[in-house]
Amino acid sequence: ETGVTQSPTHLIKTRGQQVTLRCSSQSGHNTVSWYQQALGQGPQFIFQYYREEENGRGNFPPRFSGLQFPNYSSELNVNALELDDSALYLCASSFGMGQGIDNEQFFGPGTRLTVL
Amino acid sequence: GNSVTQMEGPVTLSEEAFLTINCTYTATGYPSLFWYVQYPGEGLQLLLKATKADDKGSNKGFEATYRKETTSFHLEKGSVQVSDSAVYFCALTGTYKYIFGTGTRLKVLA
Repeated sequence: ETGVTQSPTHLIKTRGQQVTLRCSSQSGHNTVSWYQQALGQGPQFIFQYYREEENGRGNFPPRFSGLQFPNYSSELNVNALELDDSALYLCASSFGMGQGIDNEQFFGPGTRLTVL
Repeated sequence: GNSVTQMEGPVTLSEEAFLTINCTYTATGYPSLFWYVQYPGEGLQLLLKATKADDKGSNKGFEATYRKETTSFHLEKGSVQVSDSAVYFCALTGTYKYIFGTGTRLKVLA
């Protein structure tokens, strides 16, 4: 069974640029959630995709957007990058949307984004 | 809404000392509770979990008990090692998302 994978591992961009981060969900999972972890902080929920539609969103501006594909993999896109977007971006996959342990989220290793 | 409060770090201990990292939560319903560990430069690793009141999660010598009456999920280990040095996050399930504490850095000295 393949776990959650993310690419790239590291990325350096300049302010104002756009970036796309990718996530492959664990086999059998149909839901992908994205989190932002700033330095010294806990992960913050960005949004979740279920069956290719955005299912919920945290307190992030519209320049953070996403996609989920028919194979349940996902992309996180960030436009007009700002210095404060520098963070570790974590993807988590699960089956379904509930709070039960059957819907446990499994995290990938993350993509570290640096904005200069 | 649901929230998690963790003790501030850093926590510095000598090898073989007893560890407690406090975590309290506010939640509606019956969330699942988790402890994650993050080593330098790495992502999150699930350390242990508990899904209902009085459940005890355990792994690698770490334990935590889901206490509904005190809304707590404190992490404990009887004898820490240098290799346990990391940041520890308490988390709970919210509506379709996980809610994390701010993390507690543990440093274990030889």
